[in-house]
Amino acid sequence: KQEVTQIPAALSVPEGENLVLNCSFTDSAIYNLQWFRQDPGKGLTSLLLIQSSQREQTSGRLNASLDKSSGRSTLYIAASQPGDSATYLCAALNTGNQFYFGTGTSLTVIP
Amino acid sequence: EAQVTQNPRYLITVTGKKLTVTCSQNMNHEYMSWYRQDPGLGLRQIYYSMNVEVTDKGDVPEGYKVSRKEKRNFPLILESPSPNQTSLYFCASRPQVSYTEAFFGQGTRLTVV
Repeated sequence: KQEVTQIPAALSVPEGENLVLNCSFTDSAIYNLQWFRQDPGKGLTSLLLIQSSQREQTSGRLNASLDKSSGRSTLYIAASQPGDSATYLCAALNTGNQFYFGTGTSLTVIP
Repeated sequence: EAQVTQNPRYLITVTGKKLTVTCSQNMNHEYMSWYRQDPGLGLRQIYYSMNVEVTDKGDVPEGYKVSRKEKRNFPLILESPSPNQTSLYFCASRPQVSYTEAFFGQGTRLTVV
């Protein structure tokens, strides 16, 4: 069974800093890996999706990478802003068509 | 606007009283699924459906039922809720193809007393 781990569980940084969130998974037989943002009391908002054949995806200040062979993905956030404060989740879509989620990284960006 | 709509958003009920949480999507997606989110455990899949009349168990199906009679709707049924089903529930949908993103509803916070 797929196990997805996110480190760190919580992160607090000053505004303007670049930061990296980590996601690791145990089973490399995935279709894709998706990064989500979750705000308190709200649903999940998709940030980036990386296909299993891709190495990275970029959207604005966000860049996600995928290394299937080592079972790792990273989400890079450039020039962090207070509005980036949220919980970030990664999810691996297995070839059995099930999403497996990490427990998330809670990010606080201090003005 | 493309969206997944869950109702209700908040629900407090008593042990044993049957309830249904509705989920509807307007994107003509084939694939729909239900998750529960608990502190320290993350999101875990309850049931999923690959298309109309096709459903399958996820990792934590005990105590739940689903049906998929129409493509757009995927209700979650708790026949006899218990306090350990107190959780935050999310419905999600995506196209059948694997290279497109999944969309999530706003969540339903269920408390069973």
